Amino acid sequence: GAGVSQTPSNKVTEKGKYVELRCDPISGHTALYWYRQSLGQGPEFLIYFQGTGAADDSGLPNDRFFAVRPEGSVSTLKIQRTERGDSAVYLCASSLAGDLGGYTFGSGTRLTVV
Amino acid sequence: AQSVTQLDSQVPVFEEAPVELRCNYSSSVSVYLFWYVQYPNQGLQLLLKYLSGSTLVKGINGFEAEFNKSQTSFHLRKPSVHISDTAEYFCAVTISSASKIIFGSGTRLSIRP
Repeated sequence: GAGVSQTPSNKVTEKGKYVELRCDPISGHTALYWYRQSLGQGPEFLIYFQGTGAADDSGLPNDRFFAVRPEGSVSTLKIQRTERGDSAVYLCASSLAGDLGGYTFGSGTRLTVV
Repeated sequence: AQSVTQLDSQVPVFEEAPVELRCNYSSSVSVYLFWYVQYPNQGLQLLLKYLSGSTLVKGINGFEAEFNKSQTSFHLRKPSVHISDTAEYFCAVTISSASKIIFGSGTRLSIRP
């Protein structure tokens, strides 16, 4: 596609529920990144995929968070037993491997846990 | 580990006035530096980047930044701002193409007519 697509754009869920956030990167981009942006803060790194494998998952806050990229393109960020503190905008970005600064960001998914 | 500090959370400036948004970084190894812009209700967009070579880098929309290794700074400047520059600006750093980019907390630039 022309850009990074994230769905849904908005998600409201009840505390304790499970959610999945989807990211469709630019075709051919092998690197994919997930960030979380809370109100008034900069993007906070969660996880980075190179192809199908997670090259760095050091930013995942706890074991309720998990992400997959089974075929090396679309990625899903999964959050179990959501908490109100998980409310944030979840950003996805993709780039060609080794393309410093070549991240293209999606518009994000705004997750609200009530 | 690397870190980025944006010293000003908000910068108000009059239209057509110059502006400087400050950014300092910390790293024990060589870094690559970026400025991203986030317009209201839009995604992050790369403004400019420093990878190597000339320490003065020019970006889109008339912005430029200067890498200063001795002061570990990468301040963003524009000689004359426009209303359309109203946005949040993020400084960011990484140490390699195989590493994550770490973002600062952002500076909100507000332009007064």
